[in-house]
Amino acid sequence: DAKTTQPNSMESNEEEPVHLPCNHSTISGTDYIHWYRQLPSQGPEYVIHGLTSNVNNRMASLAIAEDRKSSTLILHRATLRDAAVYYCILRDALAGGTSYGKLTFGQGTILTVHP
Amino acid sequence: EAGVAQSPRYKIIEKRQSVAFWCNPISGHATLYWYQQILGQGPKLLIQFQNNGVVDDSQLPKDRFSAERLKGVDSTLKIQPAKLEDSAVYLCASSLEPGGAYNEQFFGPGTRLTVL
Repeated sequence: DAKTTQPNSMESNEEEPVHLPCNHSTISGTDYIHWYRQLPSQGPEYVIHGLTSNVNNRMASLAIAEDRKSSTLILHRATLRDAAVYYCILRDALAGGTSYGKLTFGQGTILTVHP
Repeated sequence: EAGVAQSPRYKIIEKRQSVAFWCNPISGHATLYWYQQILGQGPKLLIQFQNNGVVDDSQLPKDRFSAERLKGVDSTLKIQPAKLEDSAVYLCASSLEPGGAYNEQFFGPGTRLTVL
């Protein structure tokens, strides 16, 4: 599985934008970039995903570098509820066999939001 | 829409005892996953079912862990006998289909297991 590298932790103030980086220098052409987050004492939840173009949804934006070797999850206005562990995951859309649909989680980035 | 249900939420057992966890996925979801999350780490996939069949159980410690998915719906994960290192949160997730560009996995709240 292609690996991702994320900072262990980041801090932000409430109502400020947050940029969470992810490096994935060995990304392949069929790898999608997925972001999940895990709030305290809950299971992970899907945030956003993309392939080459920048993506926006109601939760966040995903900015993907032109060479696809890095990406950034953007929370436009952090709230206290956004404090969580954020996971950047590469998922091969065409993988078959035992890799079919597989998500491989790393350690993620712990985001702390200060009031 | 009801989410993924898991029970129990918490379980404390002594080593060498057995324990079972139950998961009810979102209705209509063909794919079911069991993950183990040790404190401070990301979730690790233990087993993946597609309907009734096993797609991937390469990281399941088969000498002590077993899992089944009855009629392609509910699933149980069993540990027998438990070891201290099995202390973790066990997460169940489901998705409509595993493949393709978009495959959102929906996670349950997890079962926190403590082995003493």
